[in-house]
Amino acid sequence: DAGITQSPRHKVTETGTPVTLRCHQTENHRYMYWYRQDPGHGLRLIHYSYGVKDTDKGEVSDGYSVSRSKTEDFLLTLESATSSQTSVYFCAISERGGAYEQYFGPGTRLTVT
Amino acid sequence: GDSVTQMEGPVTLSEEAFLTINCTYTATGYPSLFWYVQYPGEGLQLLLKATKADDKGSNKGFEATYRKETTSFHLEKGSVQVSDSAVYFCALSEGAGGTSYGKLTFGQGTILTVHP
Repeated sequence: DAGITQSPRHKVTETGTPVTLRCHQTENHRYMYWYRQDPGHGLRLIHYSYGVKDTDKGEVSDGYSVSRSKTEDFLLTLESATSSQTSVYFCAISERGGAYEQYFGPGTRLTVT
Repeated sequence: GDSVTQMEGPVTLSEEAFLTINCTYTATGYPSLFWYVQYPGEGLQLLLKATKADDKGSNKGFEATYRKETTSFHLEKGSVQVSDSAVYFCALSEGAGGTSYGKLTFGQGTILTVHP
């Protein structure tokens, strides 16, 4: 199994509070991605990174920011959480772009009350 | 923009039945196509992929053929097992080229339940 961990695995927070989710990899893969999974929508890309300090927006980036200061860590921040951000968040890594396989972490279940 | 449409679920089958999950896509250029599977409580894992027209991806008895003329990538298995119960996602990425970022666009997922 690819070495990907996500923390925390579960979190309940209140509307308006900041939240940071962490993705950590031990594979030294260049590409990292954050997706959210919601019923009826499959997974949707939030942000992605193609190298240290190189990030870009995905399909549903509003209300989220990311940072990648070293290869192994990719942080997702909700500056001011809203109930619409209640979801399961998955991190994925890939050695290269294009058609290369993405390896997914176990997910973080976030509930915003 | 790119999009993927999967057949509505859930799908319920008896063990040893034939499985088809339909997937069609809309994309510019020449995307790569994937099927990912998610077992309960886990992240997604790649089941199979195809990177160009007429390619067939296969793994664990599952198959899918990249049909450019019908923009489809239907998943099939001749004889399902209880252990195949999971959620199946069809997805596409921008292309097989090394300069693309590998961003995935997913279908909504199809829940498969197989009974003994």
